[in-house]
Amino acid sequence: GAVVSQHPSWVICKSGTSVKIECRSLDFQATTMFWYRQFPKQSLMLMATSNEGSKATYEQGVEKDKFLINHASLTLSTLTVTSAHPEDSSFYICSARDTGGFGYTFGSGTRLTVV
Amino acid sequence: TQLLEQSPQFLSIQEGENLTVYCNSSSVFSSLQWYRQEPGEGPVLLVTVVTGGEVKKLKRLTFQFGDARKDSSLHITAAQPGDTGLYLCAGARGGSNYKLTFGKGTLLTVNP
Repeated sequence: GAVVSQHPSWVICKSGTSVKIECRSLDFQATTMFWYRQFPKQSLMLMATSNEGSKATYEQGVEKDKFLINHASLTLSTLTVTSAHPEDSSFYICSARDTGGFGYTFGSGTRLTVV
Repeated sequence: TQLLEQSPQFLSIQEGENLTVYCNSSSVFSSLQWYRQEPGEGPVLLVTVVTGGEVKKLKRLTFQFGDARKDSSLHITAAQPGDTGLYLCAGARGGSNYKLTFGKGTLLTVNP
């Protein structure tokens, strides 16, 4: 089946630094990828929709200059949290849509802790 | 605005009991998906329902999609401790890059 690899699985960074999270579709091409944020015991909150070769579409309330998304190829999207602060600490999850059907495959998530 | 209402939000039951989780909306979805998520991991797809009135079974799990494609339910028979986790329903609509709308989730705990 479709596999999405997300890296790193966890990261600790200092306040003020930037962190990049990668999301790769391993055995299929994904023209559209999605980035979510999740707080403990809560559902996923969509941050942005990433389209290959074009600018990402951000959900209301999500700062595009804070959360930079690049979807440079059909198999890779990256999320960069710039100038991270402790309130950015969260679980970030990507997913990719298989254009061949209705399937959405999720990555295993990245636990970001900003100290 | 929460377009997909999922209930109950929390559920704690004993092993062997049955349970049903509901997902309701005023919007029509082209497909609806159910996921199970364990702590520290990404959601894992359980099933996708596409056709109104569709019923799908996955061992002890039964999924139903409403005739009008606005609601869905997940029924678990004889729950086991291994069923513990966060269950999420998510609806997709054509257009808008097919982005998923998630319910708030149901945190299920099955006690031995």
